[in-house]
Amino acid sequence: GENVEQHPSTLSVQEGDSAVIKCTYSDSASNYFPWYKQELGKRPQLIIDIRSNVGEKKDQRIAVTLNKTAKHFSLHITETQPEDSAVYFCAAHNYGQNFVFGPGTRLSVLP
Amino acid sequence: EADIYQTPRYLVIGTGKKITLECSQTMGHDKMYWYQQDPGMELHLIHYSYGVNSTEKGDLSSESTVSRIRTEHFPLTLESARPSHTSQYLCASSEGPNTQYFGPGTRLTVL
Repeated sequence: GENVEQHPSTLSVQEGDSAVIKCTYSDSASNYFPWYKQELGKRPQLIIDIRSNVGEKKDQRIAVTLNKTAKHFSLHITETQPEDSAVYFCAAHNYGQNFVFGPGTRLSVLP
Repeated sequence: EADIYQTPRYLVIGTGKKITLECSQTMGHDKMYWYQQDPGMELHLIHYSYGVNSTEKGDLSSESTVSRIRTEHFPLTLESARPSHTSQYLCASSEGPNTQYFGPGTRLTVL
């Protein structure tokens, strides 16, 4: 079955700097890769996603890149702000299977 | 507004009690899921359903049971709660190969 690894487990950056979180997956049939942000005491919320027929997707300060050959995808946050502090989860999904989540990255943006 | 609803949001009960956590979605999604999550930690899939009268156990062994009699409703039942069941329980739903949406969660404490 699918296995998703996520690194780093914790990340601290200065406000205004960039943050990068990387995930690798094992099942080459996975074709949908969402990223979720979970703030303290709240539900995970989708922030960006990418499908396997696309290599990169951007939404304002957030971007996701996908390398199908290497089976890894990354979340990039530019110009970080204190409100970006949260736990971020990546996931991989293959139609007909369940979502498999990474273990999460705790991002702290220091003022 | 289309959303996922969970009740109760917080529950404190004594050991040995039977409890049911409610989850309803108004998005018309076919797939529904239950996850167990300690705050800010990994999401562990405990049950899922691909449609009415379909239920399966997830990756994390659980002493709970679920039912799916109606598309929009996916309750989770603990026959005899124990302190080890203390955690947050998140319900989610998705349509086909698309994004999974999460409910606000139920925070359960078993004394």
